[in-house]
Amino acid sequence: GAGVSQSPRYKVAKRGQDVALRCDPISGHVSLFWYQQALGQGPEFLTYFQNEAQLDKSGLPSDRFFAERPEGSVSTLKIQRTQQEDSAVYLCASSDGQGGSNQPQHFGDGTRLSIL
Amino acid sequence: DQQVKQNSPSLSVQEGRISILNCDYTNSMFDYFLWYKKYPAEGPTFLISISSIKDKNEDGRFTVFLNKSAKHLSLHIVPSQPGDSAVYFCAASEVGGANNLFFGTGTRLTVIP
Repeated sequence: GAGVSQSPRYKVAKRGQDVALRCDPISGHVSLFWYQQALGQGPEFLTYFQNEAQLDKSGLPSDRFFAERPEGSVSTLKIQRTQQEDSAVYLCASSDGQGGSNQPQHFGDGTRLSIL
Repeated sequence: DQQVKQNSPSLSVQEGRISILNCDYTNSMFDYFLWYKKYPAEGPTFLISISSIKDKNEDGRFTVFLNKSAKHLSLHIVPSQPGDSAVYFCAASEVGGANNLFFGTGTRLTVIP
């Protein structure tokens, strides 16, 4: 497809389980971002990749969160030992510029994660 | 601490009139600003952006104004249409940064037919 694709759209997990969220960016986009959006809030930055390199992970809330983009295209966000406070919408965005190039980011529809 | 603020949670406007959505920021290192529109259960959709070297950018019915001295930007929609009803997010990124965006909390616009 032409846009950013995320799967699954909805994920329900029990507290303590591990989850993996997938993002397929727009083809050819160098930059990929993950954001977390809590109810009633704006998205908050988690991590940034330029091709396969994770250049910024300052927004990851704990060491239970891990992201990778091994071939510079598809990315996976993994959350280990999930907690209830991890419940949120996880958004992926991509852009065809590198850091500092002022290109708009294009978002997927997100994965809504609910931890029971 | 919220670096991008949208102080109006909601706005209602009659169809055909102007909608003005406001955004304030505190970080003087921000140099690129964007507006996104979001429908329920969808991701944010890019609308329009402006670089800090400009004070106005226009795209069809949408115009963004930037006042750097006041650290304020606004989005004007003229004329407003019912399909514009959505949540609008203001976002900003820093000079020399990775372009990760800082978002406001959004303003829900309702255009009344």
